Amino acid sequence: RKEVEQDPGPFNVPEGATVAFNCTYSNSASQSFFWYRQDCRKEPKLLMSVYSSGNEDGRFTAQLNRASQYISLLIRDSKLSDSATYLCVVWVDTGRRALTFGSGTRLQVQP
Amino acid sequence: DAGVTQSPTHLIKTRGQQVTLRCSPISGHKSVSWYQQVLGQGPQFIFQYYEKEERGRGNFPDRFSARQFPNYSSELNVNALLLGDSALYLCASSLEVLYEQYFGPGTRLTVT
Repeated sequence: RKEVEQDPGPFNVPEGATVAFNCTYSNSASQSFFWYRQDCRKEPKLLMSVYSSGNEDGRFTAQLNRASQYISLLIRDSKLSDSATYLCVVWVDTGRRALTFGSGTRLQVQP
Repeated sequence: DAGVTQSPTHLIKTRGQQVTLRCSPISGHKSVSWYQQVLGQGPQFIFQYYEKEERGRGNFPDRFSARQFPNYSSELNVNALLLGDSALYLCASSLEVLYEQYFGPGTRLTVT
């Protein structure tokens, strides 16, 4: 089982749509959670951290469910510029002390 | 402020050769991590350094090594290159070990 699992997509949605991405992680000792965005052939860029109480940044809302080991990202009022791959990222402070990335979910927003 | 910088941008090497990739973190950041990303997958952790000490190592062979300098910049070395080492190598910096990481543009390595 992968440590971080995401639906690879692609998600094809029209402009203005609301889209939700889900992610599950296997290590219950995971401590920090993030969503990164990666455009084609570019580096990942931090979109937002994910807190236990949930957090919102403009059109983006992230939720964490520790009991179910589940993270979500909701994008409202999708824009063409939101087209990218969204990476779910988990930090586990074990001997490796590393960010563990999911394979990403590709979003294509269409006019 | 400048972001994370990496050099070179692109590199072509042949099997068996050695390569050194370089990274300069965001000013004030003390931790540098290295990742390998192959097409269609998320980045895979290679190393993390903090205050010049290795703080974490991923599941990569001993052909991969790294170091961090007093100015917090870092180098990743790969010896005896294999075709499978062809990938985008990403460097990320953070204030401390557990803080959010910010990525550089990467070095695209092609091994022929």
